[in-house]
Amino acid sequence: GAGVSQSPSNKVTEKGKDVELRCDPISGHTALYWYRQRLGQGLEFLIYFQGNSAPDKSGLPSDRFSAERTGESVSTLTIQRTQQEDSAVYLCASSFYGTNNYEQYFGPGTRLTVT
Amino acid sequence: ELKVEQNPLFLSMQEGKNYTIYCNYSTTSDRLYWYRQDPGKSLESLFVLLSNGAVKQEGRLMASLDTKARLSTLHITAAVHDLSATYFCAVDMGDSNSGYALNFGKGTSLLVTP
Repeated sequence: GAGVSQSPSNKVTEKGKDVELRCDPISGHTALYWYRQRLGQGLEFLIYFQGNSAPDKSGLPSDRFSAERTGESVSTLTIQRTQQEDSAVYLCASSFYGTNNYEQYFGPGTRLTVT
Repeated sequence: ELKVEQNPLFLSMQEGKNYTIYCNYSTTSDRLYWYRQDPGKSLESLFVLLSNGAVKQEGRLMASLDTKARLSTLHITAAVHDLSATYFCAVDMGDSNSGYALNFGKGTSLLVTP
């Protein structure tokens, strides 16, 4: 079946511009996660959605970052006034939520380069 | 703060040899995950270990979990070149604010040479 998809796959933007990253989770997965992977680093958790609700947004790196999810499906991560330190691969993952349903399935990621 | 530490971070090994990657974590958890990442690719789930003493095997890879020692191992048997990749272990936070969000180690970059 279809996996997690993300778009765009690559995005090059100028410093100061806004960008929007999109994630389409696996159908029926109620939990959705955003992570960031900087070059040569491990993954950093950003935000979690259960359904359309994000209980805690404190993992977002700054107030320039925002995320939303609609219809318990698509999620967008928006970065305003991008900075060079925002350059990274942004990965989205989805899963069922509940006892014994922990496995997360990752999308291919969006590589963001801020020049 | 939950910390996940892997070692080694870099591993070069010859084909046919055996080796173990170690993953230590700092908090009580019964759930430990191993992922593989090829260069420029996303993460592929290898194992989900859900209880103390859990052992799972897939091909030349075997993962185990000791929750009392807060240690997981990924053992590679008779390595082949196709296993060259970066391997991440992760522990989930398991709370209402972050769901089962994963806290990752820095990854072990494995290179298998002839």
